[in-house]
Amino acid sequence: GQSLEQPSEVTAVEGAIVQINCTYQTSGFYGLSWYQQHDGGAPTFLSYNGLDGLEETGRFSSFLSRSDSYGYLLLQELQMKDSASYFCAVPSRDMRFGAGTRLTVKP
Amino acid sequence: EPEVTQTPSHQVTQMGQEVILRCVPISNHLYFYWYRQILGQKVEFLVSFYNNEISEKSEIFDDQFSVERPDGSNFTLKIRSTKLEDSAMYFCASTYPSGGSTDTQYFGPGTRLTVL
Repeated sequence: GQSLEQPSEVTAVEGAIVQINCTYQTSGFYGLSWYQQHDGGAPTFLSYNGLDGLEETGRFSSFLSRSDSYGYLLLQELQMKDSASYFCAVPSRDMRFGAGTRLTVKP
Repeated sequence: EPEVTQTPSHQVTQMGQEVILRCVPISNHLYFYWYRQILGQKVEFLVSFYNNEISEKSEIFDDQFSVERPDGSNFTLKIRSTKLEDSAMYFCASTYPSGGSTDTQYFGPGTRLTVL
């Protein structure tokens, strides 16, 4: 089976940096994806790591360590609009999501 | 920019009734998915569909559920006899495969199903 573990919630202030961790146990692992979901909205793709290391896309970066079955999403220069839930996911034809981390950004 | 669309945005039904949720995936995409999200909980995989047949399904996708691609554009999820616990947001997603299992999935806006 597959399981992904991530913290249920994180709070940070505007301008800060926050890291959301994800540990996984899965068979047939190809990589780790991250999705953002605002309240009432649909998940939207943020990033994907197929190889170990850091992938950077603007203010967001994502990291993967296959040997540790661990990854994280790093959000820099936090803005109020970053308040949302963030899900790690193992992409496959039966993609499984983590339970999500609710990020609250305070002024 | 092409997007996945879903109708209706909100469906209210009585327990035991059949519902059909509709999705129009992005036109050149080949893999289609349905997910469910109970309020405040995680997104749960239901089923994937490729080449006019189910590719994978989860333990949630029991005999009450079925999917169909009735024409070249629509992808539907039918719940045969709805239960109270089927109340959730249902998301459709699609992807164009680039050769691996790493393809980005594009989600529709969802249909909120309320079973009374």
